[in-house]
Amino acid sequence: QVQLVQSGAEVKKPGASVKVSCKASGYTFSSYAMYWVRQAPGQSLEWMGWIYTGNGNTVYSQKFQDRVTISRDTSATTVYMELSNLRSEDTAVYYCARGTYCGTSTCSFDFWGQGTLVTVSS
Amino acid sequence: EIQMTQSPSTMSASVGERVTITCRASQGLSSWLAWYQQKPGKAPKLLIYHVSSLESGVPSRFSGSGSGTEFTLTISSLQPDDFATYFCQQYSSYPGTFGQGTKLEI
Repeated sequence: QVQLVQSGAEVKKPGASVKVSCKASGYTFSSYAMYWVRQAPGQSLEWMGWIYTGNGNTVYSQKFQDRVTISRDTSATTVYMELSNLRSEDTAVYYCARGTYCGTSTCSFDFWGQGTLVTVSS
Repeated sequence: EIQMTQSPSTMSASVGERVTITCRASQGLSSWLAWYQQKPGKAPKLLIYHVSSLESGVPSRFSGSGSGTEFTLTISSLQPDDFATYFCQQYSSYPGTFGQGTKLEI
């Protein structure tokens, strides 16, 4: 069965970086794009960017363009999201999600990781 | 960026009731709209994609409709397990924006 298993919770200081992993199993890794979506406490969901796992191409939301890097390790069937220059507003649960039913530019998500809480505090 | 506005933000209903949640987009989406259900402390779960296609394993009491800029999610007969928060998402253009959510309470 399809599973996306994310790394554990992180506590970071302002200005630091965080790298969250998402290990995929149960399907052909390189056949689906992987997305990152975050959710601040009590807030809605925010689309951050995605990677096409087949060739490593990435697209980022303009909001995070300068601070986010999404990468993948095909041999480990793992996708990574690194966010730099953290501030308190980045405190959120970060989800990886598999893109499946797609429109002209992006996709909806059929499987999600369990989420990783990143807390930014001095 | 396409803005997605859901209404209502919160609603109260009873088991067995029929409920409808609305999502409006700031520009036309063609058929690229999805609905998710989220329970506290859990990841969202896909219910509906392409406006009205039911995801595998989702009960048939959930349905979606709409076109252009106005879309609805309907639950035909509320069950205890349906009390949760619901989000719409457009995937017509970058970034794939979400509505602010509708919390469905008993």
